[in-house]
Amino acid sequence: DAKTTQPNSMESNEEEPVHLPCNHSTISGTDYIHWYRQLPSQGPEYVIHGLTSNVNNRMASLAIAEDRKSSTLILHRATLRDAAVYYCILFNLRDDKIIFGKGTRLHILP
Amino acid sequence: DAGITQSPRHKVTETGTPVTLRCHQTENHRYMYWYRQDPGHGLRLIHYSYGVKDTDKGEVSDGYSVSRSKTEDFLLTLESATSSQTSVYFCAIRGQVNYGYTFGSGTRLTVV
Repeated sequence: DAKTTQPNSMESNEEEPVHLPCNHSTISGTDYIHWYRQLPSQGPEYVIHGLTSNVNNRMASLAIAEDRKSSTLILHRATLRDAAVYYCILFNLRDDKIIFGKGTRLHILP
Repeated sequence: DAGITQSPRHKVTETGTPVTLRCHQTENHRYMYWYRQDPGHGLRLIHYSYGVKDTDKGEVSDGYSVSRSKTEDFLLTLESATSSQTSVYFCAIRGQVNYGYTFGSGTRLTVV
């Protein structure tokens, strides 16, 4: 399975933007980049995904590097509720499954 | 919420007894997955299904079996529970194309 590398933890202030990085230097041309987050005591929650172009939805934005070897999840205005573990995952339709890494624990400071 | 329910939500069982966890979906999705989550290990894939009666092993399948006799139900069975299987178990579903996974709320299993 293709691997991703994320910082173990990050801190951000409430109401400020947050940029969560992810490196995936061995990404293949057919790997999608998925982001999930897990709030305390809950199951993981889908956030966003993309292939080559930047993507926006109501939760976040995904910025993908031109060479696709890295990506950044952007939370435009962090709230305390965004404190969670964020997982960056490569997903290939051939594999039928996703494998989670350790993710980044995001702390939001009031 | 998104049409996926897990039962039971909590269970305490004794070592050596069989246990079955149920995942039920109302989305008619083809793919279903079982994960376990433990401190220090994160989420690990146990088994998954890509259709009725079609299942495959994940990273940590030893000691677990699964069955999918109909689209909406995916059962995870611990034939003889051990204390190392104390964990939180999550079920997930995925649609036919590149949709995101939807996870259930989890089952907290304690084996004593």
